[in-house]
Amino acid sequence: EDQVTQSPEALRLQEGESSSLNCSYTVSGLRGLFWYRQDPGKGPEFLFTLYSAGEEKEKERLKATLTKKESFLHITAPKPEDSATYLCAVQASNDMRFGAGTRLTVKP
Amino acid sequence: ETGVTQSPTHLIKTRGQQVTLRCSSQSGHNTVSWYQQALGQGPQFIFQYYREEENGRGNFPPRFSGLQFPNYSSELNVNALELDDSALYLCASSLEGVLGNTIYFGEGSWLTVV
Repeated sequence: EDQVTQSPEALRLQEGESSSLNCSYTVSGLRGLFWYRQDPGKGPEFLFTLYSAGEEKEKERLKATLTKKESFLHITAPKPEDSATYLCAVQASNDMRFGAGTRLTVKP
Repeated sequence: ETGVTQSPTHLIKTRGQQVTLRCSSQSGHNTVSWYQQALGQGPQFIFQYYREEENGRGNFPPRFSGLQFPNYSSELNVNALELDDSALYLCASSLEGVLGNTIYFGEGSWLTVV
């Protein structure tokens, strides 16, 4: 069965303190690995899709990487506005299997 | 702004009632999926519609049903509401059959069952 595990559950950083979020997965036939940002009470906001091991994508202070077993979301010099829950999801067939998310808080 | 719109944004229903949630997909997208997100959890797949047919279903009972219309908009219907159905219901649209398609979510419909 497809599984997605995100760690840590919660992460508190000082502004400017870089860190990484982890997404470990097991899936048969990966079609894509997705990262989303979700603010409280809102729908998930698309960040990245990764398709194959070794692929990397960047957007502002965020960089996502993918191996055969896990993905990392690296946050460089975060700002308070980066505070949100970051969701990872894998797609093998018609559905996406989500992790529980990492709740990131960046303090000024 | 993803172009995926959902209505209503919030609603309160009584246990045993029925509810219909609506979704308009992003222009050009032909596939709509529905997800349930309980507080503190990731979204869980309910089902997907492609070309007006159900194209995959998660582990949800038959009282969760849906429709997709020729304009690709969709409805999620839940009968015999239970307290555990209280959650954020998310609609996601995509263009099936295209390599590299991106899946966009709406802002969701908050359902409270009392």
